[in-house]
Amino acid sequence: EVQLVESGGGLVQPGGSLRLSCAASGFTLRRHWMTWVRQSPGKGLEWVANIKDDGSAKYYVDSVKGRFTISRDDAKNSLYLQMNSLRAEDTAVYYCARDQLYYSGESFDSWGQGTLVSVSS
Amino acid sequence: QSVLTQPPSVSAAPGQKVTISCSGSSSNIGSHHVSWYQQFPGTAPKLLIYDNNKRPSGTPDRFSVSKSGTSATLGITGLQTGDEADYYCGTWDSSLRAGVFGGGTKLTVL
Repeated sequence: EVQLVESGGGLVQPGGSLRLSCAASGFTLRRHWMTWVRQSPGKGLEWVANIKDDGSAKYYVDSVKGRFTISRDDAKNSLYLQMNSLRAEDTAVYYCARDQLYYSGESFDSWGQGTLVSVSS
Repeated sequence: QSVLTQPPSVSAAPGQKVTISCSGSSSNIGSHHVSWYQQFPGTAPKLLIYDNNKRPSGTPDRFSVSKSGTSATLGITGLQTGDEADYYCGTWDSSLRAGVFGGGTKLTVL
């Protein structure tokens, strides 16, 4: 069974940092692109970043460029999102999602349960 | 403001049909596969349709998608109260070099 389990969320002050982790199991992580998607309270889904299956390419939404870094460690079956210079508008539930094979960037066939990041003083 | 445009809400009676539109541009829907997601309150989104109109196992055939140019439309027939949820379209945008979603549509089954 495919499972994605996020962790690392919490309350942080503006300007602070957090590192989210996503533990993957039930599939071969190195075969898949992986993505972070967030959802602010009461709002819609926002694509945040993704990383190519071999880690050679990474893409970000404009609002997080230069502040967030996506990475992966296939040996540890894990995906990460390092978030620096956090702002109030980064407050959201962050989901880890698996890109569907052959539809990288276009379709996400498994999602974690999400981890809440709250940025407030 | 989302890159893909969806109506905020739609509604219909049980047993009826409803459609949800998703409008984009040549750099996203016009050149990439569209996927649709269903999300119930407090839960993670679930893939409903991919590659424009393919259903993962578990998605009933009451759900279908049509795509034309830079727009896609999700259709749901034989509405059930259990279909009440938020629905999102999504794809890749070649110009932005980023994934994009619609703003989401809340379906109410009256």
